[in-house]
Amino acid sequence: AQKITQTQPGMFVQEKEAVTLDCTYDTSDPSYGLFWYKQPSSGEMIFLIYQGSYDQQNATEGRYSLNFQKARKSANLVISASQLGDSAMYFCAMREVLGFQKLVFGTGTRLLVSP
Amino acid sequence: DSGVTQTPKHLITATGQRVTLRCSPRSGDLSVYWYQQSLDQGLQFLIQYYNGEERAKGNILERFSAQQFPDLHSELNLSSLELGDSALYFCASSVGGTAYQETQYFGPGTRLLVL
Repeated sequence: AQKITQTQPGMFVQEKEAVTLDCTYDTSDPSYGLFWYKQPSSGEMIFLIYQGSYDQQNATEGRYSLNFQKARKSANLVISASQLGDSAMYFCAMREVLGFQKLVFGTGTRLLVSP
Repeated sequence: DSGVTQTPKHLITATGQRVTLRCSPRSGDLSVYWYQQSLDQGLQFLIQYYNGEERAKGNILERFSAQQFPDLHSELNLSSLELGDSALYFCASSVGGTAYQETQYFGPGTRLLVL
């Protein structure tokens, strides 16, 4: 079964608008971390934001915030005030205690920001 | 810049050959992880080393091997290369290796093309 599901293969947003990228996960481990990474066309993987399973508040990092709904097992990334440089692939990933140390990635969402 | 370095950036080789990919972790990080990103398999965890010792193994083929040296740099050896081994290979590092909360920081990747 898929551990991380990203149902949006592509998203389109206009500059300065907010966009939400969906991520749902599946785990029976009570302790886990959720991560979002950005992969521009140049290929590198850039860490954006982290949410822990026991965190009471949604994580925020500048224009990035994570809408964490534990009961629904979702961890959606919200990008506020989109910029042209936000055009990239975005990956949701999970790290479980029982899964040893590996990150398990979703299939990604390609975001295109237009002027 | 994540602080993780990988060499070479690009590698073109022929089927049946052997190559070595090199990774230097961020200063102070003890864990190194290797991931493979291909079009058909997505991002897959291969192997983790912590302070010189193998810690976790993922979907790593028997033709592939890795090691971490006393100075903490790591090498991934790929032998008897096949066309399907063409992929982007990432190295990531983290401070420790046992906490699910730890962020893994990725290097720029090595793009391998097997002809």
